[in-house]
Amino acid sequence: AQKVTQAQTEISVVEKEDVTLDCVYETRDTTYYLFWYKQPPSGELVFLIRRNSFDEQNEISGRYSWNFQKSTSSFNFTITASQVVDSAVYFCALSEASYAGNMLTFGGGTRLMVKP
Amino acid sequence: SAVISQKPSRDICQRGTSLTIQCQVDSQVTMMFWYRQQPGQSLTLIATANQGSEATYESGFVIDKFPISRPNLTFSTLTVSNMSPEDSSIYLCSISGGVTDTQYFGPGTRLTVL
Repeated sequence: AQKVTQAQTEISVVEKEDVTLDCVYETRDTTYYLFWYKQPPSGELVFLIRRNSFDEQNEISGRYSWNFQKSTSSFNFTITASQVVDSAVYFCALSEASYAGNMLTFGGGTRLMVKP
Repeated sequence: SAVISQKPSRDICQRGTSLTIQCQVDSQVTMMFWYRQQPGQSLTLIATANQGSEATYESGFVIDKFPISRPNLTFSTLTVSNMSPEDSSIYLCSISGGVTDTQYFGPGTRLTVL
């Protein structure tokens, strides 16, 4: 069965520090999809990025970057020069191509607090 | 991208009552889902809302407690029945274009049961 683990439940940094959020996943599928979502205090879930299992290219979007490594089953998320607005809970999620219904399995989430 | 709205955004209810949450999308979508997020927890899928037929429920969730309707491709409702304080959660709907597509989430409904 699929599983997503976010070992860091809470991280606190000072503004402008870099921070990496870890995500480790388990799946038996050879084709799967990985996601990161952000949940600010308002509660909505904001999609950040999707990675397909057959695409191991790392991605950079502004201050955000993602490191996907199949060899270690990890999909880590780095925020460079963090800002107070980055304070939120971040979820890593996995879906498997073999599952007929597009089921997302979420990790437990990492609460990031960025202090001014 | 599609705009997803949910009503109500929040509510405080008495135990034993029921609440119906609406999810409206501004365009037709193939798949709609309902999730529950208990306080301080991650998201758990309740069910997939199937257009014109009964919803597909995940283990631990039953139709009598969480009846779901999806009369068309832009709208779905989730009812939380006979509520208890343990039902206090954020309920989120999500959409996707297909079985391998990204899911996008609505703003959520924050429910408190007293």
